[in-house]
Amino acid sequence: GQNIDQPTEMTATEGAIVQINCTYQTSGFNGLFWYQQHAGEAPTFLSYNVLDGLEEKGRFSSFLSRSKGYSYLLLKELQMKDSASYLCAVKGSNYQLIWGAGTKLIIKP
Amino acid sequence: IAGITQAPTSQILAAGRRMTLRCTQDMRHNAMYWYRQDLGLGLRLIHYSNTAGTTGKGEVPDGYSVSRANTDDFPLTLASAVPSQTSVYFCASSDEASGANVLTFGAGSRLTVL
Repeated sequence: GQNIDQPTEMTATEGAIVQINCTYQTSGFNGLFWYQQHAGEAPTFLSYNVLDGLEEKGRFSSFLSRSKGYSYLLLKELQMKDSASYLCAVKGSNYQLIWGAGTKLIIKP
Repeated sequence: IAGITQAPTSQILAAGRRMTLRCTQDMRHNAMYWYRQDLGLGLRLIHYSNTAGTTGKGEVPDGYSVSRANTDDFPLTLASAVPSQTSVYFCASSDEASGANVLTFGAGSRLTVL
């Protein structure tokens, strides 16, 4: 079957760095996405990886290893507004997205 | 402001009733999607449309129908609602020409079926 695994919840301190991992097993791979979702709101796009390596965008970076079926989202200089759920999604062989259940990130002062 | 508008924002519905969730986008995106989001589960695709006039079934299509008469509108209909359809429903669209097919989501419709 196809599945996306990510931790259910993580806690980090304001100003610190946190890494959210995502492992996947899918039939085919056409890209991996990270979305941010604040409570009660819609998901919003953060990053896209299709080739191995690190993509950096401001405080957020995303890494992909296709051979290991693994990605992580790295958040630096954490701010209280980063408290949200982070969704990992893989575009499979049919070009539809398969979504993980999301990681709820709690930021403490 | 360009984006996706969903209506209603929330609705309580008696089981057996018919319900249509509306979705309109003004970005001229070709592709549109309906997802449901339930606690502890990832977003699940209900139906999608790659272009006006065509629709396809997603992962959980049973009990739902869609139509795509034009580029902007993509309504989702529950013909006879059941309690298991209690969920938050998100409409999304993507610009196929962008390559990555980044999704833009509406604000969601929270549906409770009693």
